[in-house]
Amino acid sequence: GENVEQHPSTLSVQEGDSAVIKCTYSDSASNYFPWYKQELGKGPQLIIDIRSNVGEKKDQRIAVTLNKTAKHFSLHITETQPEDSAVYFCAASKANAGKSTFGDGTTLTVKP
Amino acid sequence: ETGVTQTPRHLVMGMTNKKSLKCEQHLGHNAMYWYKQSAKKPLELMFVYSLEERVENNSVPSRFSPECPNSSHLFLHLHTLQPEDSALYLCASSQGLVGLYEQYFGPGTRLTVT
Repeated sequence: GENVEQHPSTLSVQEGDSAVIKCTYSDSASNYFPWYKQELGKGPQLIIDIRSNVGEKKDQRIAVTLNKTAKHFSLHITETQPEDSAVYFCAASKANAGKSTFGDGTTLTVKP
Repeated sequence: ETGVTQTPRHLVMGMTNKKSLKCEQHLGHNAMYWYKQSAKKPLELMFVYSLEERVENNSVPSRFSPECPNSSHLFLHLHTLQPEDSALYLCASSQGLVGLYEQYFGPGTRLTVT
């Protein structure tokens, strides 16, 4: 089955700096890669996703890049703000498979 | 209400109790999911329903019993649980099966088994 590894497990940055979280996956058939943000006391919320026919996707301060050959994808947050502090999860799945495999999560702390 | 709602938000139960978790989605989606989130572990998929039919049962012990009476509601019936079942139980929904469609999560039920 699919295996997703996520690094780092914790990340602390100063407000205004950039943050990068990386994930690798094992199943070359995976083609959908979402990223979720989970704040304390809440469920995960989708913040951005990418499909395997695209190499990069941006949404304001958030971007995701995908390297299919190397089987890794990354989340980039620029100009970080204290409200970006949360746990971030990556996931990988195949189209219509009905399930995603999640990474272990990264706790991001943005210091004001 | 909008999105995915879950009740109760917190539940404490003894090992001999029977309780149920409820999930409702207001998004018109056709697929619903139960996940278990334990501390320091990735999200674990438990069950997947598509058009009210179970399509995935991820080797979950029989003390967890799902029910999907219609495409908007999903239940997780609990009985004879163990302390290691204490976790955050998350419900999610998507328009179709994940991979083609985005998943939307509820806030979760924090379950403590004493």
